[in-house]
Amino acid sequence: DAGVIQSPRHEVTEMGQEVTLRCKPISGHDYLFWYRQTMMRGLELLIYFNNNVPIDDSGMPEDRFSAKMPNASFSTLKIQPSEPRDSAVYFCASSFIAGGTDTQYFGPGTRLTVL
Amino acid sequence: QKEVEQNSGPLSVPEGAIASLNCTYSDRVSQSFFWYRQYSGKSPELIMSIYSNGDKEDGRFTAQLNKASQYVSLLIRDSQPSDSATYLCAVDTGRRALTFGSGTRLQVQP
Repeated sequence: DAGVIQSPRHEVTEMGQEVTLRCKPISGHDYLFWYRQTMMRGLELLIYFNNNVPIDDSGMPEDRFSAKMPNASFSTLKIQPSEPRDSAVYFCASSFIAGGTDTQYFGPGTRLTVL
Repeated sequence: QKEVEQNSGPLSVPEGAIASLNCTYSDRVSQSFFWYRQYSGKSPELIMSIYSNGDKEDGRFTAQLNKASQYVSLLIRDSQPSDSATYLCAVDTGRRALTFGSGTRLQVQP
């Protein structure tokens, strides 16, 4: 399996622009997680989905952030408008909890820089 | 109080020594506990998971859990320079999502 795939790997944008991050989970996994990592705040959970349904979005910092999972093989995290404080590494992770394991497999991350 | 606490380090040990990494958590209903390793510029990867009190060994790694004290630790025996990384403690309170500590940076000196 190719593992969790994220794109783009790096994104540099200007304040006010819309940013869309993409994730393809491991095939067959039933949970998908979006995390953000910064030096100051560490690794924070933003939102997670079970079978494409959002379960908990309490970690989404504000209304500028939105996430969707239209099908089992694709999810997006959108920031509109972006701000410099959104600069971070955004990770997507997936797991197969129905299969009896709760191991989360992380993608390579998207490094976002907002100027 | 943060939900999952770790000493940020760096923890420096000589090659071949035992590295001991510690983690405390605040939520008593926590059910599953994980140690992830993260190399600089890379994504976290799972090292160990532990669910019940006691020790769990996997090669050079041993995870220890004490739910009464709300304490999890990771021992790395025969530490190698390739073990130099940040080690993240993570806790699942049963809602399937993980809460991570801030990580402990380990440096193994050749």
